[in-house]
Amino acid sequence: AQSVTQPDIHITVSEGASLELRCNYSYGATPYLFWYVQSPGQGLQLLLKYFSGDTLVQGIKGFEAEFKRSQSSFNLRKPSVHWSDAAEYFCAVGARDSWGKLQFGAGTQVVVTP
Amino acid sequence: DVKVTQSSRYLVKRTGEKVFLECVQDMDHENMFWYRQDPGLGLRLIYFSYDVKMKEKGDIPEGYSVSREKKERFSLILESASTNQTSMYLCASARLAATDTQYFGPGTRLTVL
Repeated sequence: AQSVTQPDIHITVSEGASLELRCNYSYGATPYLFWYVQSPGQGLQLLLKYFSGDTLVQGIKGFEAEFKRSQSSFNLRKPSVHWSDAAEYFCAVGARDSWGKLQFGAGTQVVVTP
Repeated sequence: DVKVTQSSRYLVKRTGEKVFLECVQDMDHENMFWYRQDPGLGLRLIYFSYDVKMKEKGDIPEGYSVSREKKERFSLILESASTNQTSMYLCASARLAATDTQYFGPGTRLTVL
């Protein structure tokens, strides 16, 4: 079975600074990996996903993530955060035979300070 | 634009009541999902459905049931609500492929008193 760990519950970052959110997964075969964002009072929105090919994935809102099989990681990055990036971020893992089911991490809350 | 709607944003019920949460999607998706979201626990899958009248248990199905009579509609039922079911409930839909994006509704904040 798949599992996901997001080691950071809460991150505070200054506007304009870089951001990196960590995600570690556990799965024997090639995982399908996703990052979702949840803005206050909203449902989740997909930022990006990886299932094959280039291990550096570009997403919406200027985010990117890198799949590192050797480290079982799929960390999310943004070079310069905006106040609107304040939200909760979820990493999720799926698999080929999972009927589209995902295992979500516990989430990382990002606070952006002026 | 894709859309997943949930019948209520906020709901307050009493212990022992039967509760229905409705979810409707307009994207002709095969898959539909019900999650509950709790602080520090992320999203946990309650049930999912890959076709009309088909359902599969997720990770935490106890105390819940579901119904999918039409492709676009997926209902979550709490047969006898309890206080430990106070939570945020999120519905999502997706195509059948495991790589497909799940599209989420805005959520229903359920409080059971």
